[in-house]
Amino acid sequence: SQQGEEDPQALSIQEGENATMNCSYKTSINNLQWYRQNSGRGLVHLILIRSNEREKHSGRLRVTLDTSKKSSSLLITASRAADTASYFCATDSIGKLIFGQGTELSVKP
Amino acid sequence: TAGITQAPTSQILAAGRSMTLRCTQDMRHNAMYWYRQDLGLGLRLIHYSNTAGTTGKGEVPDGYSVSRANTDDFPLTLASAVPSQTSVYFCASSDSQGGQPQHFGDGTRLSIL
Repeated sequence: SQQGEEDPQALSIQEGENATMNCSYKTSINNLQWYRQNSGRGLVHLILIRSNEREKHSGRLRVTLDTSKKSSSLLITASRAADTASYFCATDSIGKLIFGQGTELSVKP
Repeated sequence: TAGITQAPTSQILAAGRSMTLRCTQDMRHNAMYWYRQDLGLGLRLIHYSNTAGTTGKGEVPDGYSVSRANTDDFPLTLASAVPSQTSVYFCASSDSQGGQPQHFGDGTRLSIL
């Protein structure tokens, strides 16, 4: 069962532009996590935001969480070609992660 | 470098044969997980282990078994492979169950013919 649904499924931008990916979920959560997956590789953890937090930053990444709307967004500022990857949100409500289907981001140089 | 090692990286297996996917971590994490990743379905949890000596079923456990004899190793066994088990399998670990980032291996690409 998929808890998180991500939007858009695919996103293509130019280098230097910002990229925004959205995640919606259905049940209450303890925390929400974002991961990146490069082609042919495993997932890499980016940010964890707890249910009592509204916004978190890490370098060029900004994550917001709105528990009233059951949604989160990941913003990548000043994107680079190296940001090309799939991005997944994962919700944690009972100590297990449930992953969305991901957003495929392509950053063109 | 520290992390998770999965083996083999890829395998073609005849239906009906058995196979064990290996996973080893050197971070002394208590919790370990097995996921399968299929196009259009994202990652789904197969089995997990909160600590050495314990295991639990995830979302899609049928046809798979696991063991956790020690902290570092968490093998996944397909007793009698079927074509629907063709997938990419990822092992992951975290310091504790829940509320912690998970660290992933680079996966095993398994094709069942």
